[in-house]
Amino acid sequence: DAGVTQSPTHLIKTRGQQVTLRCSPKSGHDTVSWYQQALGQGPQFIFQYYEEEERQRGNFPDRFSGHQFPNYSSELNVNALLLGDSALYLCASSFNRDSVQYFGPGTRLTVL
Amino acid sequence: AQSVTQLGSHVSVSEGALVLLRCNYSSSVPPYLFWYVQYPNQGLQLLLKYTSAATLVKGINGFEAEFKKSETSFHLTKPSAHMSDAAEYFCAVSGPGSGNTGKLIFGQGTTLQVKP
Repeated sequence: DAGVTQSPTHLIKTRGQQVTLRCSPKSGHDTVSWYQQALGQGPQFIFQYYEEEERQRGNFPDRFSGHQFPNYSSELNVNALLLGDSALYLCASSFNRDSVQYFGPGTRLTVL
Repeated sequence: AQSVTQLGSHVSVSEGALVLLRCNYSSSVPPYLFWYVQYPNQGLQLLLKYTSAATLVKGINGFEAEFKKSETSFHLTKPSAHMSDAAEYFCAVSGPGSGNTGKLIFGQGTTLQVKP
């Protein structure tokens, strides 16, 4: 049974560019959450998707957007990249009842 | 608003010694509490969770945590540290009304170093 997978593993972009990160949830899970983890910090909640809609959102600007597909996979898009967007982006999946969130290995984004 | 405070950003113990990682939370409603571990260059792995059942929760790899409402604490312990326990540990609480699957609020993390 595959766990949560994310792609790409690493990404280097320059300021002002746009980036798309991808996540496939654990088998049987229908909810995907995204977190940003800056170096030396705990993860910060970006948003959560369920039934292809954004269900919850953290304190992130509109430059951060997402999408969930009918197969429950998800994308995170970040526009107009800033140096401060450099971080590890973590995807977590869960089943929309009473299951915990399982995390993927993350995508390391570096903005130059 | 809910928050989590992990006391001590860095804890160092000798192999075989007791591990104690401290976590205090603030919440206006009964929380769900979690401990996750992160090894270098990896994602987060769930160690254990508290969901208002037994106050002493046993997790993987010999770790356990006790929920103490009066102290708003959820400290993580392990009787005997192994070298393989060296990692970053995060305490987290679910957002209000979100149960297990909602927004997780994390502490800043505690780096555990295990000395031979």
